[in-house]
Amino acid sequence: AQSVAQPEDQVNVAEGNPLTVKCTYSVSGNPYLFWYVQYPNRGLQFLLKYITGDNLVKGSYGFEAEFNKSQTSFHLKKPSALVSDSALYFCAVSAEYNFNKFYFGSGTKLNVKP
Amino acid sequence: DTEVTQTPKHLVMGMTNKKSLKCEQHMGHRAMYWYKQKAKKPPELMFVYSYEKLSINESVPSRFSPECPNSSLLNLHLHALQPEDSALYLCASSHVGGSYEQYFGPGTRLTVT
Repeated sequence: AQSVAQPEDQVNVAEGNPLTVKCTYSVSGNPYLFWYVQYPNRGLQFLLKYITGDNLVKGSYGFEAEFNKSQTSFHLKKPSALVSDSALYFCAVSAEYNFNKFYFGSGTKLNVKP
Repeated sequence: DTEVTQTPKHLVMGMTNKKSLKCEQHMGHRAMYWYKQKAKKPPELMFVYSYEKLSINESVPSRFSPECPNSSLLNLHLHALQPEDSALYLCASSHVGGSYEQYFGPGTRLTVT
């Protein structure tokens, strides 16, 4: 069975500091991994994805994520947090054989304080 | 253009009403989705259309009825809803295949009274 875990309900970080939002996954076959951000009362916005290739993936708004196959992790990172990064972040996985079905993590609320 | 549009933005309906949610995309995507999202929770998949045919129904109650009239449009018909159906309903679209990201609309905030 496919699943995603986001172990932290909330992450607090000061503006200008690096941030990490954690994600681990379980999937049969090769994983396709995604990060989304959601601002209040809005839809989900795509940030980045890992399909294959380089383990470090760069995405929108300065975010990047590192795929680690041995640890089955796909943590989201940013070198310098902004107050405007405060939002709800979701990790998602799909499997190569299970077309178009995403499995979402429970979400992590990121709070960036000035 | 990476936009998915949804109408209406807000909807209040009684338990005996019939209403419809609409979703549109012009990205050439052939997969379209309906999700239900409760506050601070992840989206829950309801339906997936692939090439205008229903490919996934996540055991959704029959009071929710999806329709895909063409490759750009997706509707969700609502009838005899319950208060617990109040939620944000999100539409998404993507190319067909697990490696493609889904693009989400802004959602319809539904309140059932």
